[in-house]
Amino acid sequence: AQSVTQLDSQVPVFEEAPVELRCNYSSSVSVYLFWYVQYPNQGLQLLLKYLSGSTLVKGINGFEAEFNKSQTSFHLRKPSVHISDTAEYFCAVRPQAGTALIFGKGTTLSVSS
Amino acid sequence: GAVVSQHPSRVICKSGTSVKIECRSLDFQATTMFWYRQFPKKSLMLMATSNEGSKATYEQGVEKDKFLINHASLTLSTLTVTSAHPEDSSFYICSARDPVGLGGYTFGSGTRLTVV
Repeated sequence: AQSVTQLDSQVPVFEEAPVELRCNYSSSVSVYLFWYVQYPNQGLQLLLKYLSGSTLVKGINGFEAEFNKSQTSFHLRKPSVHISDTAEYFCAVRPQAGTALIFGKGTTLSVSS
Repeated sequence: GAVVSQHPSRVICKSGTSVKIECRSLDFQATTMFWYRQFPKKSLMLMATSNEGSKATYEQGVEKDKFLINHASLTLSTLTVTSAHPEDSSFYICSARDPVGLGGYTFGSGTRLTVV
C-alpha cells in the first residue's frame, strides 16, 4: 500500500521569503507524484507533477519540486512567496499501475507581510 | 486544458432528504471519475471510483446505500447522498483522470453540503 506524509501541518512565512513544503511517500512500487493547491472552499488545482524524466519539476506560480527516489521525497519549493500563495497544499501519489490519487494530510502555508 | 464542472457549489438540505451532486467533464471523455470527501482542516478521503457503464467501487467504510454513484455517460458522474443527516455535512469533490497522455487529474470546484 502507498502512503504520503506531509511533515509540516502549518508553515508560516513572511512575504518574499523562500519556502519548502516537505513530502515523503512510502510505496513498494513505482509511483507518480503530484502537488496540488487548494484555496478556501474551492477544488484542487494542479501545481506540478512528476511522471518520469528530469527529477526537477517546474510548475505554475513559480513553484518547483524535486523527486528524490532514494529518500522517497518530493519536496515543494518556491524562492520567494507572495501573500496570494496562502493556501492549503497537498502532496499526492498514484501507483503507476493504479488509478486513484492518495493524498497527504496537507500543509497550510500562511504568508504574511 | 481539461475542465471538470461540479454542481451545485453549495447546498443546504433538511435531514432525511436526498441531495444529488453532478460532476461533468466538459471537454473530454472521462471513463473514470473519483469522489472525495474533505472534512475541515483534513485531507481528502477517497470515497469511491466511478466507472462509466459499471458499478462504482467503494472504499472500505463508505456506505454504498447512502452514497449512490451513477456514471451513466462518458461525461457525467453523479453522487446522491440519500437520507442525509447532519454528520453527512462536508465538502465533496469530484475528480476525473485527464485525457490519455497528460497523466494527471482534474478536480471539480467542490460542493459544500450542509444538512440541517
